[in-house]
Amino acid sequence: TQLLEQSPQFLSIQEGENLTVYCNSSSVFSSLQWYRQEPGEGPVLLVTVVTGGEVKKLKRLTFQFGDARKDSSLHITAAQPGDTGLYLCAGYSGGSYIPTFGRGTSLIVHP
Amino acid sequence: SQTIHQWPATLVQPVGSPLSLECTVEGTSNPNLYWYRQAAGRGLQLLFYSVGIGQISSEVPQNLSASRPQDRQFILSSKKLLLSDSGFYLCAWSDSITDTQYFGPGTRLTVL
Repeated sequence: TQLLEQSPQFLSIQEGENLTVYCNSSSVFSSLQWYRQEPGEGPVLLVTVVTGGEVKKLKRLTFQFGDARKDSSLHITAAQPGDTGLYLCAGYSGGSYIPTFGRGTSLIVHP
Repeated sequence: SQTIHQWPATLVQPVGSPLSLECTVEGTSNPNLYWYRQAAGRGLQLLFYSVGIGQISSEVPQNLSASRPQDRQFILSSKKLLLSDSGFYLCAWSDSITDTQYFGPGTRLTVL
């Protein structure tokens, strides 16, 4: 059974601070996705990474896929209250229809 | 562009009553379809997935069933709801080319 360990589970910070969320596994993934979910809504896709060592930027968010494609990180620079939400990572192994989801990181950014 | 719809958005049902949640996808053909349940804003539990009409795979034995009567329609059902069926139900779709799931807005089910 593949597992994706997300850390930290909870994060409460002040506006303007930086933060990093981690997603780790002992398994290799062909692709990995990051989602953000707000209360009462469905998860919204932020990014998909597929190449080992890949770095993608989305405004103040930087996503990195590990060289061995077993881990990923999400870094937010100068967090804002609008970044508040649940961040989920999900990984696919080659040929599987079913992604493995992490348990999520709940982020609260205080103004 | 593709869109995914779920309804109802919220539902309050008594224990022992039946359930039918519907999910439809627009703008794509032969999608893979998924039902998840999410408890307390945490991780997602996969309930069912389908790779084609009439093809349903169950991941967790439970009080629920799923059906796919049309290519872009996925239905989650129960004959008799239990208190433990309360939760946030999410439908998702993916295609066979990109390994990415796209989620619907969700249904909040409360069983009393």
